[in-house]
Amino acid sequence: AQRVTQPEKLLSVFKGAPVELKCNYSYSGSPELFWYVQYSRQRLQLLLRHISRESIKGFTADLNKGETSFHLKKPFAQEEDSAMYYCALNRGTSYGKLTFGQGTILTVHP
Amino acid sequence: NAGVMQNPRHLVRRRGQEARLRCSPMKGHSHVYWYRQLPEEGLKFMVYLQKENIIDESGMPKERFSAEFPKEGPSILRIQQVVRGDSAAYFCASSPPRTSDEQFFGPGTRLTVL
Repeated sequence: AQRVTQPEKLLSVFKGAPVELKCNYSYSGSPELFWYVQYSRQRLQLLLRHISRESIKGFTADLNKGETSFHLKKPFAQEEDSAMYYCALNRGTSYGKLTFGQGTILTVHP
Repeated sequence: NAGVMQNPRHLVRRRGQEARLRCSPMKGHSHVYWYRQLPEEGLKFMVYLQKENIIDESGMPKERFSAEFPKEGPSILRIQQVVRGDSAAYFCASSPPRTSDEQFFGPGTRLTVL
């Protein structure tokens, strides 16, 4: 069975500092990995996915199959990045079920 | 496009009552997913439906829980004889016919069982 682990429940950084939210997964096949974000009083929304290899709002994430990780990174955090971040896994392009990690609350201090 | 709609946003039930949660997917989306978030936990998959079909219900508790997505109207998640442990946030998501596409989430229904 697939599993997603986000080891940090809370993460605090200062504005302008680099930030890395960790995500590790276990799945024997070729998964799709996603980062979802939930800003205060808003609904959960997709931030980025590994297959698109793009940077959204300055965030990037690289799938490392050797380490089974999909860490989310941003070189210079902004206050508006404060939110709950979820890493999620999909078993492949033919199956829509998402397996979520427990989430990390990121707080960026001024 | 108004996005995924869920109602009610908050639902209070006493133990033993029934809870009905509704989800209207985005226009053009034929796939619906239900997830449950217990306090201090991440979202857990419950069920995946297409119009008039349950595709995967591996995350649904064996008893008291059922889901449907009729040809017309919203998807319904039904919980019979609710217990305090059912208190949680229930999220619905929808996606277009290609299941690998992005899932769009609703605002959730917060169920409180007294």
